[in-house]
This record gives sequence, C-alpha cells and structure tokens, in this order.
Amino acid sequence: AQKITQTQPGMFVQEKEAVTLDCTYDTSDPSYGLFWYKQPSSGEMIFLIYQGSYDQQNATEGRYSLNFQKARKSANLVISASQLGDSAMYFCAMREGGRGSTLGRLYFGRGTQLTVWP
Amino acid sequence: GAVVSQHPSWVICKSGTSVKIECRSLDFQATTMFWYRQFPKQSLMLMATSNEGSKATYEQGVEKDKFLINHASLTLSTLTVTSAHPEDSSFYICSGYSSGVYSEAFFGQGTRLTVV
Repeated sequence: AQKITQTQPGMFVQEKEAVTLDCTYDTSDPSYGLFWYKQPSSGEMIFLIYQGSYDQQNATEGRYSLNFQKARKSANLVISASQLGDSAMYFCAMREGGRGSTLGRLYFGRGTQLTVWP
Repeated sequence: GAVVSQHPSWVICKSGTSVKIECRSLDFQATTMFWYRQFPKQSLMLMATSNEGSKATYEQGVEKDKFLINHASLTLSTLTVTSAHPEDSSFYICSGYSSGVYSEAFFGQGTRLTVV
C-alpha cells in the first residue's frame, strides 16, 4: 500500500487566492512526521512545513499551513495568497519513527503540480 | 537552514563510463545520508542509506555493484554510477539531517545525469 497519496496531479489557482493540496498517509507507527516540500523546475527540494504526529496544533509557516487531521490520516497543505513564484511541484512526505537502518528515510507522494496564473 | 552541497548539478556521460556524485554537508555532521532517485515527473524513491564508516543499506531492487556508495567522513557521501547505461539517466538527490533524524531533512541541489 502507498504510504503517501497525493490525488491531485495538477492544480490551478489564481494569484492572491488560497489553494489546498491534498495528502493522505498510511502508517501503523504512532510516531511519525509529515513534511511538505516544493520542487521548482531546477530540481532542488525546498522544505516548507513540518507536522509531528504528537503535535497538538496545526503547523504554520508564513503563508503555508498544514491542515492535520490525524483520525483521517490527512495532512493537507494550504497556501494562502498564492504568488506566481509558487508555481512548482509539491511533494508530501512522511518519516516514520522506529529503529533500524531506514530510520530517517522519507516516503514521498507522487506530487502535485501547482500552477498560479495572474 | 543547514546546507547540503551536491556536485555536479548535471553531467552527461557515455555509456559504459562511471560517474561520481558528491554530497557534502557544509555546516553539520551527517552520520547518515540518503540517496534518492527521481524519474521525470515522478516521485522520489529511496535508493540507499549511506552510513558513515560502514556499508550502505540498499533498497530492494537497487544494484549495489552498480550504484556504489561511500561515506568516508561525516561530511561527505559519494554515489558512483558504474558502467552507466541510458536507463540510468535520472535525477539523483541526496539528503541529510542536521540534528538527528527527528529534525528537518535537508536536500542537496540534485544531479541530473544523462547517459548517451
């Protein structure tokens, strides 16, 4: 089973509007972290926001907020006041707790291509 | 945030040759680095986990003799694609943690490999 599911291959939003990018996850580990990364066409991975499984409040970082619904296993990214520079691929990722050599590895979704138009 | 420097950013090589990609943590020590591969318009898939001073751990299906990983110091991990073939053309990117695996993961700039 997929550990991270992003069901939106592409999203379009008008400049200055808000947009929500969906992400659901699957894990049986009680300790995990959820991440969102932005990947522009240059390929670099830019960290946006992090939510820990035990965090009581939704994470926020500037224009980015994470709508964390633990019971539904969803971690949607909300971008407020979209800007043209937000156009990029967005990846949701999860890191599970636990021990072993794969501790720290990230599982990525397939990504959502966001296009912001004027 | 912490800096991970990856070189080269792009490389073109002939079939049958080997290519080395370097990943350096510039302002932190990384006992573990992760190497991912990304095909065009696809997700990042973990290839291997690089451990300083010990053998790398490879994901199922990844040929360890083809993708040689060396992590000789706390600030440098290298991935060598040996006897490269066109199907090895891909985007390779490394990642490390600055403050243990429960902190933020930082990524290198990535290397776009084209084998002709």
